[in-house]
Amino acid sequence: EVRLVESGGGLVKPGESLRLSCATSGFTFTDYSVNWVRQAPGKGLEWVSSVSSTSIYIHYADSVKGRFTVSRDNAKNSLYLQMSSLRAEDTAVYYCATTPHGYKALGFMDVWGKGTTVTVSS
Amino acid sequence: EFVLTQSPGTLSLSPGDRATLSCRAGQSVSRNYLAWYQQKPGQAPRLLIYGASNRATGIPDRFSGSGSGTDFTLTITRLEPEDFAVYYCQHYDDWVAFGGGTKVEI
Repeated sequence: EVRLVESGGGLVKPGESLRLSCATSGFTFTDYSVNWVRQAPGKGLEWVSSVSSTSIYIHYADSVKGRFTVSRDNAKNSLYLQMSSLRAEDTAVYYCATTPHGYKALGFMDVWGKGTTVTVSS
Repeated sequence: EFVLTQSPGTLSLSPGDRATLSCRAGQSVSRNYLAWYQQKPGQAPRLLIYGASNRATGIPDRFSGSGSGTDFTLTITRLEPEDFAVYYCQHYDDWVAFGGGTKVEI
């Protein structure tokens, strides 16, 4: 069974940092690109970042560029999102999702985790 | 910036009705790199359609996607009770963008 499990969410103050993790199982991780997508309370989906299978291609939304860093550890079948200089508008559920090719980062997203909640508030 | 505009914002229908959801791109979508997702309250999105018209694994054939260029449509031929949800389109070529969503409600 394909599984994506996000963790690391929580309550932080503006300006602080947080690291999200996405543990995966049930598929060959290195065959896939992986993504972070977020959803603010009561709002729609917002793409955050994507990384190709070997991390050659990495993309960020303008709203997080320079503050967030995506990485993956293929030996651990895991995806990470290091978030710094957090703002209130970063408050959201953060989902990881796979894209069924590894050669470029961007694509449709066929399997999603259940998400982890990040709240940025003083 | 790649913009996707979904309409209507809300669609009020009954089980058994046909639902037609629109997604319009601000510029042409190359290679029909357009996907549709369904999201129910408290759940993660689920992929329905990719490549504008290809159903994802396990998606019932009452869901279909069509369109090209800048205008795309998701059609649900006969609404089942479990189809009442929010639907998002997504562009995924040289950039990734989601539309604002259409809520299909009873």
